[in-house]
Amino acid sequence: DAGVIQSPRHEVTEMGQEVTLRCKPISGHNSLFWYRQTMMRGLELLIYFNNNVPIDDSGMPEDRFSAKMPNASFSTLKIQPSEPRDSAVYFCASSRQGTGETQYFGPGTRLLVL
Amino acid sequence: GDSVTQMEGPVTLSEEAFLTINCTYTATGYPSLFWYVQYPGEGLQLLLKATKADDKGSNKGFEATYRKETTSFHLEKGSVQVSDSAVYFCALYTGGFKTIFGAGTRLFVKA
Repeated sequence: DAGVIQSPRHEVTEMGQEVTLRCKPISGHNSLFWYRQTMMRGLELLIYFNNNVPIDDSGMPEDRFSAKMPNASFSTLKIQPSEPRDSAVYFCASSRQGTGETQYFGPGTRLLVL
Repeated sequence: GDSVTQMEGPVTLSEEAFLTINCTYTATGYPSLFWYVQYPGEGLQLLLKATKADDKGSNKGFEATYRKETTSFHLEKGSVQVSDSAVYFCALYTGGFKTIFGAGTRLFVKA
């Protein structure tokens, strides 16, 4: 079975540019999570969806960040405008509700904002 | 609120040494407990889990026992290998949608 798919794997952009990260969860999973990982702050939960509906976005750092899940097989995390402090690895994870909530992580997108 | 505390790293061991990474938790209700592992350049992946008190999770030679009386879920391995070098995350899930992750413990194993 295919795991969680994220694209791009690496992104280098300049400050002020828009960045869009993409995620395809595992088929049949109905919960989706976006995380950010940095050396300084560790693993942070940004937002999570259940059945395509955002449940808690309290981890989104500021209004420059937005996330959507238009259908069960696709989600995006957008940063506009990007800043150097947004440089991090962004992970998407999915799970199937009611199965003890094991989360399955994608390989991550490594973002560098210059 | 619910929380997970794990020992700070890095932990540096020689190959074939015994490994313990401590994890304690605070939770209302009866959580499921997890250890995830993150290899360099990869996402987190489930290593083992336990869903009720006194359960032992095990995988790839790693073990952890769910101790309700001490609210702990310590990770152990009898003989580590260089390939075990990674970051290990303790986590808990108490229902709802969210999993609480610890800060992670980096393990270095020297040949």
